[in-house]
Amino acid sequence: DGGITQSPKYLFRKEGQNVTLSCEQNLNHDAMYWYRQDPGQGLRLIYYSQIVNDFQKGDIAEGYSVSREKKESFPLTVTSAQKNPTAFYLCASRSFRATGTGELFFGEGSRLTVL
Amino acid sequence: QKEVEQDPGPLSVPEGAIVSLNCTYSNSAFQYFMWYRQYSRKGPELLMYTYSSGNKEDGRFTAQVDKSSKYISLFIRDSQPSDSATYLCAMNRYSSASKIIFGSGTRLSIRP
Repeated sequence: DGGITQSPKYLFRKEGQNVTLSCEQNLNHDAMYWYRQDPGQGLRLIYYSQIVNDFQKGDIAEGYSVSREKKESFPLTVTSAQKNPTAFYLCASRSFRATGTGELFFGEGSRLTVL
Repeated sequence: QKEVEQDPGPLSVPEGAIVSLNCTYSNSAFQYFMWYRQYSRKGPELLMYTYSSGNKEDGRFTAQVDKSSKYISLFIRDSQPSDSATYLCAMNRYSSASKIIFGSGTRLSIRP
């Protein structure tokens, strides 16, 4: 089945540690996105990438880093510089070649808790 | 002021009721309007999509866009307990625009 796979689903981290969240898609989509979701705040864009080896900062990029070495993969690293990292992280992808909506397809999310 | 405003709820209604969910926005350049549904601990999924002004119906769901008022709505008829979820409105200027702007989401609960 085609889709987006995020791992791990749940992650606990001690303060001061970097963690990397995995996102893989087999939809052959060009663009991939990372969002952060906090209660009552909707989805906030962290980083996005429209092609391999290129990515742009979203609205809340500070304390995060990404890479896009392969079309299928867009890992997100939450660094120790991120002051409030406890949140639900969502990865998404979309195709710009498809007709219609260009809708975002989301993964199941990763819940990060900092202890 | 946020670009997209959405009442976070929670909204609780009895089964069979008509539900109205709404968003307002400030950017008149938005042309593509979407509603996503998100079940607890899951990623959002696209529910309805509308281009420019007008209505679109899909089964029990109707999406309305009033660009003159910068106001969009999602109506759910004959609501079911399985409709209990968070509903997020989203919009962008053109279909391939890099940034889709999301509302904060409305948490809906349908009481059996």
